[in-house]
Amino acid sequence: KNQVEQSPQSLIILEGKNCTLQCNYTVSPFSNLRWYKQDTGRGPVSLTIMTFSENTKSNGRYTATLDADTKQSSLHITASQLSDSASYICVADSNYQLIWGAGTKLIIKP
Amino acid sequence: GAVVSQHPSWVICKSGTSVKIECRSLDFQATTMFWYRQFPKQSLMLMATSNEGSKATYEQGVEKDKFLINHASLTLSTLTVTSAHPEDSSFYICSARVYFGDRGSEKLFFGSGTQLSVL
Repeated sequence: KNQVEQSPQSLIILEGKNCTLQCNYTVSPFSNLRWYKQDTGRGPVSLTIMTFSENTKSNGRYTATLDADTKQSSLHITASQLSDSASYICVADSNYQLIWGAGTKLIIKP
Repeated sequence: GAVVSQHPSWVICKSGTSVKIECRSLDFQATTMFWYRQFPKQSLMLMATSNEGSKATYEQGVEKDKFLINHASLTLSTLTVTSAHPEDSSFYICSARVYFGDRGSEKLFFGSGTQLSVL
């Protein structure tokens, strides 16, 4: 069964600190792995997309990693800001069928 | 990046009425659009795939007679929730797929969502 699991479910950190969000996926066939940021009451915004051959991709303070062998991905946020408070969703693409994770709710406190 | 405009942002309606939600691609043509719903603290659930000029493809468990999708042009798809009931209250989001032919890749761009509250 295709599925995506994310951890932790929620996370609270202080402004300026770093954090890492985890994603384990089981999809076949595998096309790519995506990370989205979703602010409350808004649509998701793409952060990164990684194919099988890519093991790291950065977008500003966001760095995603992908281990296709262990089927794990992580999203690292550096020097967090208050505006980083949002849900971060990991999505596995299986031939254009998107398998959505439940997301990690991140709260940045001043 | 490409812009997807979704309206309205929020709507409150009485039980039994119908509500139409619009999704427009502003600076590109979208042959394929997707409609999702999202309940509080849950991730997006795909409802249907909307293809321009043809019938939408609905996911299992989604009533096509209740959630009418029209994709009459390359820039507009609409979702109509017919005879809405309180259990239809949810956050509805559309997205459009953009292909980058020169790079052989594609991206999804999402609308800002519509919060539907049925009284």
